[in-house]
Amino acid sequence: GAVVSQHPSRVICKSGTSVKIECRSLDFQATTMFWYRQFPKQSLMLMATSNEGSKATYEQGVEKDKFLINHASLTLSTLTVTSAHPEDSSFYICSASSGVYKNEQFFGPGTRLTVL
Amino acid sequence: DQQVKQNSPSLSVQEGRISILNCDYTNSMFDYFLWYKKYPAEGPTFLISISSIKDKNEDGRFTVFLNKSAKHLSLHIVPSQPGDSAVYFCAASPDLNGQNFVFGPGTRLSVLP
Repeated sequence: GAVVSQHPSRVICKSGTSVKIECRSLDFQATTMFWYRQFPKQSLMLMATSNEGSKATYEQGVEKDKFLINHASLTLSTLTVTSAHPEDSSFYICSASSGVYKNEQFFGPGTRLTVL
Repeated sequence: DQQVKQNSPSLSVQEGRISILNCDYTNSMFDYFLWYKKYPAEGPTFLISISSIKDKNEDGRFTVFLNKSAKHLSLHIVPSQPGDSAVYFCAASPDLNGQNFVFGPGTRLSVLP
């Protein structure tokens, strides 16, 4: 199966700093990448969808200036949480899909962000 | 308003018995459904899917049943094994490409040895 990695797996930062999370598809070209956020005991909430080379499409209620998404290549998407605050602390998961595995999304292992 | 519901936050089952996880949805436009399994500190992994043209899909110990009129699907695991202990998410999509998923809140399954 296809493999998606995320880096870092865990990050702790001070309030006001920016944090970048990388999502990579290791053995396939991801035409579309998705960013999710999971609060404790709640479902995965889709934040945004990005296609390589174009601007991300954000879900309602997600601030695009707060959560910057860059999908610069077919194997890499980044999520930058700008000026992070404690309420941004969460588990962030990316997933990737391609035309080959049309009906499946392959998820990364997630990044635990803690903002102090 | 939650479009995909999993009303049981947790479920405990004895090893070897059947596990039944339920999922209900409200959007009649959903046409493609998936189940994901998630271990702690890991991303979800795909388990099994079903499209609206079917009412059952089977893969080894896992079977998914879809009742479109009731807007209900269920995942059956038989026989249940301790390694099946995880959180199971139901997800639904309005298109057969299955990319615009809406996830349920998950059900934590514990399989007791």
